[in-house]
Formats: sequence, C-alpha cells, structure tokens
Amino acid sequence: DGGITQSPKYLFRKEGQNVTLSCEQNLNHDAMYWYRQDPGQGLRLIYYSQIVNDFQKGDIAEGYSVSREKKESFPLTVTSAQKNPTAFYLCASSMQTTAYEQYFGPGTRLTVT
Amino acid sequence: KNEVEQSPQNLTAQEGEFITINCSYSVGISALHWLQQHPGGGIVSLFMLSSGKKKHGRLIATINIQEKHSSLHITASHPRDSAVYICAAYPPGTASKLTFGTGTRLQVTL
Repeated sequence: DGGITQSPKYLFRKEGQNVTLSCEQNLNHDAMYWYRQDPGQGLRLIYYSQIVNDFQKGDIAEGYSVSREKKESFPLTVTSAQKNPTAFYLCASSMQTTAYEQYFGPGTRLTVT
Repeated sequence: KNEVEQSPQNLTAQEGEFITINCSYSVGISALHWLQQHPGGGIVSLFMLSSGKKKHGRLIATINIQEKHSSLHITASHPRDSAVYICAAYPPGTASKLTFGTGTRLQVTL
C-alpha cells in the first residue's frame, strides 16, 4: 500500500532540546514538504524539497532544519531556536512541485514544555 | 487578509441535510484542492479541480475560475462527515507555494 508515514504520532520534549520528526513515502514522489498547523490558522510551509540533496525554505523556516539524503525520506528537526515549537506537523509529497496534487501524511503532534 | 478565505468557519447540521462550504481566493491559480481533516489530524484528499465540477459519492466540488470561487457540497450528510474541510490554492507553475484556507469545521448530528 503506497502512502506517507510519519512517526511518532505524539511527541513530547523539554524546552531546549532538539527533536527530529520522521517522514517516509513509498509513492516514488520527487517532491516533499513540511507544514505546520496551529489552531485557527491555515497550514504554513516550513521547508520543501524538489529532489534528493536539495531543499528550499518555506514561509516559516526559522528554527527548523531538514535533510533529503534519500528520495523516500525527509526528516524535520525542530531546534531549540524555534520559539513556539508546540504544533501539529504535517508532511506531504507530490510527483513534482509543478502543479501536481499533494498527498499528506497522518501528522505528528509535538508538545514542548 | 488571507489569500484563500473559507466560509463558514463552523457549521452544524442534522443528519440528512445538504451542506455547502465555500472557498474564495484572490490569487491566480492553476487548480484548487479540497481536503478533509478528521479529529485525529490526518488529511485526506477529496478533490483537485481546475474547472467545472467533480463528483465522488455524496461529495460534489465546483469551481468558477472567473469568479475565483469554489464550493464543496455534501448531500445527505452523515455524522461520519464531521471533520474540518480545507481548501488550498495551487498557484500557476508550482505547488511549492500552496496557500491554504483556515478550514471549515463541520459537525453533523443525529
């Protein structure tokens, strides 16, 4: 069954710690994305990657980092520099970035205290 | 002001009612995406359309490019339709700058 997996579903961390969220897809998609969702707001783009070993900042990249060493994987690290890290994080993928439908993972809810 | 606006923000309906959710956008687009987000948080794609109308089961999506408006209709609503419905606009040429509406929270009661 093709799809996007994100793990874990719930993640708890202490303030000041870096944390890495996993995103894996077996859809053979070139492009992958990370979004953040906060209550009452639309999804906002953190980072996206069009191809392996290449990625671009989205609208709210500060305090986050990513890597794209494999086509299937696009992990997101929430660093201690992110001022308000508690949020719901969604990973998505599409065949390419040009006018192709995005498919979403189940999300990871991160709580930092 | 968000480039993609949805209305209403919240909607409560009784089972069996016909439901309409609206999405207006101010930017040029190549396509519009309707998404469904259940309480667990995962997002499911419902429709992606660039013109006309699409139908899947009890769901119908329409778009009017000239008026920059799209609607999602649910016929014979059911409690399992309770979810947040999100529209997202694809700008021409790239999906990397997808713009999302804030969502419409639908509650269907028995």
